[in-house]
Amino acid sequence: GQNIDQPTEMTATEGAIVQINCTYQTSGFNGLFWYQQHAGEAPTFLSYNVLDGLEEKGRFSSFLSRSKGYSYLLLKELQMKDSASYLCAAMDSNYQLIWGAGTKLIIKP
Amino acid sequence: SAVISQKPSRDICQRGTSLTIQCQVDSQVTMMFWYRQQPGQSLTLIATANQGSEATYESGFVIDKFPISRPNLTFSTLTVSNMSPEDSSIYLCSVGTGEAGELFFGEGSRLTVL
Repeated sequence: GQNIDQPTEMTATEGAIVQINCTYQTSGFNGLFWYQQHAGEAPTFLSYNVLDGLEEKGRFSSFLSRSKGYSYLLLKELQMKDSASYLCAAMDSNYQLIWGAGTKLIIKP
Repeated sequence: SAVISQKPSRDICQRGTSLTIQCQVDSQVTMMFWYRQQPGQSLTLIATANQGSEATYESGFVIDKFPISRPNLTFSTLTVSNMSPEDSSIYLCSVGTGEAGELFFGEGSRLTVL
């Protein structure tokens, strides 16, 4: 079957770095997405990886290893506004998105 | 990118009633997606709304319960019929107009069924 695993909740300190991991199993693969969702709001797109390696976008970076079925989202210089849920989603061979349950990130001062 | 307007943003409904959620996009899109997100959970795709044809429903969702309209390329509605408390959820409209196929979401409609 198709499956996405990511931690339910993580806690980090303002100014620090946090890495949110995601493992996936899909029928075929057409890319891995990360979304941010603040409480009570809709998800917003953060990143897309389809090739192995690291994609950097400001304070946020996303990594993909296709052979391992693994991705992570790296957040640097954490700010209080980064407190949110982070959703990992993999696109299968039919271009269907398989969503993880999300990782709730709590930032403490 | 796309700007998506959804309404109502929230509503409290009585058991057994139906509610229609509207979704307006600021550009023409081929496919629109309707998701449900129950408290503390991730997104579940209900159906894909295609202009000019019947919506395509995912396993566990049926047209009688969630009828969808797609009259043109910028608008869609989702009706939640004969509601029960189990239908209490956030319903999200989305389109995949990003360069990588990433989705853009409406603000969501938070339904509470009493």
